[in-house]
Amino acid sequence: GQNIDQPTEMTATEGAIVQINCTYQTSGFNGLFWYQQHAGEAPTFLSYNVLDGLEEKGRFSSFLSRSKGYSYLLLKELQMKDSASYLCAVGTDDKIIFGKGTRLHILP
Amino acid sequence: SAVISQKPSRDICQRGTSLTIQCQVDSQVTMMFWYRQQPGQSLTLIATANQGSEATYESGFVIDKFPISRPNLTFSTLTVSNMSPEDSSIYLCSVEDRRGEGYTFGSGTRLTVV
Repeated sequence: GQNIDQPTEMTATEGAIVQINCTYQTSGFNGLFWYQQHAGEAPTFLSYNVLDGLEEKGRFSSFLSRSKGYSYLLLKELQMKDSASYLCAVGTDDKIIFGKGTRLHILP
Repeated sequence: SAVISQKPSRDICQRGTSLTIQCQVDSQVTMMFWYRQQPGQSLTLIATANQGSEATYESGFVIDKFPISRPNLTFSTLTVSNMSPEDSSIYLCSVEDRRGEGYTFGSGTRLTVV
């Protein structure tokens, strides 16, 4: 079966760091994606990991451990505009499967 | 990354009618994907549309309810047929970005069925 788990909601403070975890069990694996989705908008691509390790892109970093079926998205120097849902998604042979998303609230 | 033009952006429809959603991509792509996102939920894949062949539907979705056209490599339509209030959702199309930037999404169609 296909299963992707991530926390439903998280809260963090402006300027702080937050880590959003994702675990997955899927038949087939071609990479792990993170997307950001603001309310009422389409998802936008943040990162893609296919090999184990950390990928850094500005304030955002994404980590993958294929043996553990685990990834996290790390957001540094949080800004109010980072308030959004963050979707973990796994690429399989012919499609990508999305987790239910983590709604991140940023407090001033 | 690819640019997708999706329309309509929103619509309010009567129960029992049908709505066709269009997606136009600025480059040729082999596969186009159609998703549904119900309120407060994540994205659920409806079907994969390949040019020149029948769409591949996911479990729980059938062609009679969600017919798909894919006349060429840059265009696809999804029709939501015989709508009921349970079909109220956001519908999104998506394509794979060849530069490894993941999958790009259209801006979505917010459908309300009354």
